[in-house]
Amino acid sequence: GAVVSQHPSRVICKSGTSVKIECRSLDFQATTMFWYRQFPKQSLMLMATSNEGSKATYEQGVEKDKFLINHASLTLSTLTVTSAHPEDSSFYICSAAPLLAFFSYEQYFGPGTRLTVT
Amino acid sequence: GESVGLHLPTLSVQEGDNSIINCAYSNSASDYFIWYKQESGKGPQFIIDIRSNMDKRQGQRVTVLLNKTVKHLSLQIAATQPGDSAVYFCTFRGSNYKLTFGKGTLLTVNP
Repeated sequence: GAVVSQHPSRVICKSGTSVKIECRSLDFQATTMFWYRQFPKQSLMLMATSNEGSKATYEQGVEKDKFLINHASLTLSTLTVTSAHPEDSSFYICSAAPLLAFFSYEQYFGPGTRLTVT
Repeated sequence: GESVGLHLPTLSVQEGDNSIINCAYSNSASDYFIWYKQESGKGPQFIIDIRSNMDKRQGQRVTVLLNKTVKHLSLQIAATQPGDSAVYFCTFRGSNYKLTFGKGTLLTVNP
């Protein structure tokens, strides 16, 4: 149980185009989903917190107009990198907190999406 | 501000030996800590967690120790195996489920 998937696992796009990454909780409902970015040999940096049915909360320094987040259902959140540039190339990872996890602090991670912008 | 740091960025051990990965944190208000393992090209995998009202918790081959006095967390892996080779992150939970990740320690297990 508690599986989170991401699609695609790898994507290569040209500079200036937009890329959408999906994060799905397969066997549980997630009130909250998180999006992280990880550069090579570095730690995970939280980009934004996504709550179902409401606007995402972005961390300081993350451009909300560039990284569009939609959490339309309790099992799906999407991250769209708009007008991608080579510096956006990174490993994007999502995580999901189950609906009833308020007291258990559970958070499950997806396998990540490798974005390469050429 | 919140931060989590690691004492050793890399650790190399022989197969069968015990491994100890250390972590320091600065936010004394944190009440929940988690160790994650990340293999190359994959997402973090939960290993073990501990609440601040505990100082030790054991799992299968892993033990987490928490010293709140000096704000120090450690992960002990018994009888380390090649499959344990990965980057290990200590994290703590802040407000609104947010996790703060440390820099990570690369564990290499030599056969």
